Amino acid sequence: DVKVTQSSRYLVKRTGEKVFLECVQDMDHENMFWYRQDPGLGLRLIYFSYDVKMKEKGDIPEGYSVSREKKERFSLILESASTNQTSMYLCASSFPLARTGDKPLHFGNGTRLTVT
Amino acid sequence: QKEVEQDPGPLSVPEGAIVSLNCTYSNSAFQYFMWYRQYSRKGPELLMYTYSSGNKEDGRFTAQVDKSSKYISLFIRDSQPSDSATYLCAMSAAKAGGTSYGKLTFGQGTILTVHP
Repeated sequence: DVKVTQSSRYLVKRTGEKVFLECVQDMDHENMFWYRQDPGLGLRLIYFSYDVKMKEKGDIPEGYSVSREKKERFSLILESASTNQTSMYLCASSFPLARTGDKPLHFGNGTRLTVT
Repeated sequence: QKEVEQDPGPLSVPEGAIVSLNCTYSNSAFQYFMWYRQYSRKGPELLMYTYSSGNKEDGRFTAQVDKSSKYISLFIRDSQPSDSATYLCAMSAAKAGGTSYGKLTFGQGTILTVHP
């Protein structure tokens, strides 16, 4: 079964700190994604990557950056954490979607980040 | 206007009821349609996955896509207390050739409670 592992379930950081959220998948998926989930807003895409060293901005990239040095690992970086980045962060991975084939987007269990 | 609209509920039904969950969307490029279920403190897990229009059935779950109306539905028959969760619709546009990176746009999620 596909496993997407996020390094921390809960994280508390101070305003201005640099924060690293790590995600590892074990299914050799090309695509990896970082979403944040907030009440009333659903899941919003921050960044995604469709290959090693490739990245593309999602809908809300401001204040974030990403790194994908290896196929199985996708890191989200908060350059200078702010209180409005307090949220649930979800990592996901998949093969490219096709009309038939593998299921789209397998999610990790999330990292709940609190910035004080 | 959001690209994907979903009634957040909450929705409360008795055990055994038929549940209908719905989403509308505005982007006619969406070709892939999904329903995810998310239990508390867990990541979303895929329930149903449909390409283009039509119906798909899997056990007690039926997904319907009406592209002409830009409307998708998930029906749950004989609902159980274990179905209590947040249900998220999601959709993705296709690239030329029909595949997709899997960049999903989500609805806000509907909170469902099935009481015994």
